[in-house]
Amino acid sequence: DQQVKQNSPSLSVQEGRISILNCDYTNSMFDYFLWYKKYPAEGPTFLISISSIKDKNEDGRFTVFLNKSAKHLSLHIVPSQPGDSAVYFCAPLEGGGNKLTFGTGTQLKVEL
Amino acid sequence: KAGVTQTPRYLIKTRGQQVTLSCSPISGHRSVSWYQQTPGQGLQFLFEYFSETQRNKGNFPGRFSGRQFSNSRSEMNVSTLELGDSALYLCASSLNAVDNYGYTFGSGTRLTVV
Repeated sequence: DQQVKQNSPSLSVQEGRISILNCDYTNSMFDYFLWYKKYPAEGPTFLISISSIKDKNEDGRFTVFLNKSAKHLSLHIVPSQPGDSAVYFCAPLEGGGNKLTFGTGTQLKVEL
Repeated sequence: KAGVTQTPRYLIKTRGQQVTLSCSPISGHRSVSWYQQTPGQGLQFLFEYFSETQRNKGNFPGRFSGRQFSNSRSEMNVSTLELGDSALYLCASSLNAVDNYGYTFGSGTRLTVV
């Protein structure tokens, strides 16, 4: 039972344009959402997070939007840079939880 | 400050053997979690320890076990290795479970079972 789905396994974007990565979840107990970036053979690196009491959080080039009623969140990267090429995971937490549930991941490729 | 350190980085074992992986968290972090990454199943939660107590466990067989020491360092053990246990094993540390910003991952241990 995949509670967290990222329906686009891969995404290709031109440098300077916007990258939009999507994540859908089914567990209504999730109330905190984190995004991680991962390179092969390395551990995930934290990017940005959002609490369920908010619908938007911004940090530099990264913005996360949360639509709680639709159980959907998205990560916007603008402008996209070649160094952003990696696999991106959304990873929600249940309230008071201590276990990240990772999505299936989206491989982002930013082309010159 | 030093990050999360996992040792060894790479490991090759034979089916039926057992293996122990080590994780040293960031100084001051008391929560240590373990995850398994495979191409087929993605990143899956194994277990989480806080102050030497296992607080949460994922859906893995009993062959997977772990422990945490008083200095917060953690080990995970896999007994009777199977080919399907080949994976990248990741450890993450946090100040405490509700510190939602604090999940810092190590670089992982790549285990290959032959």
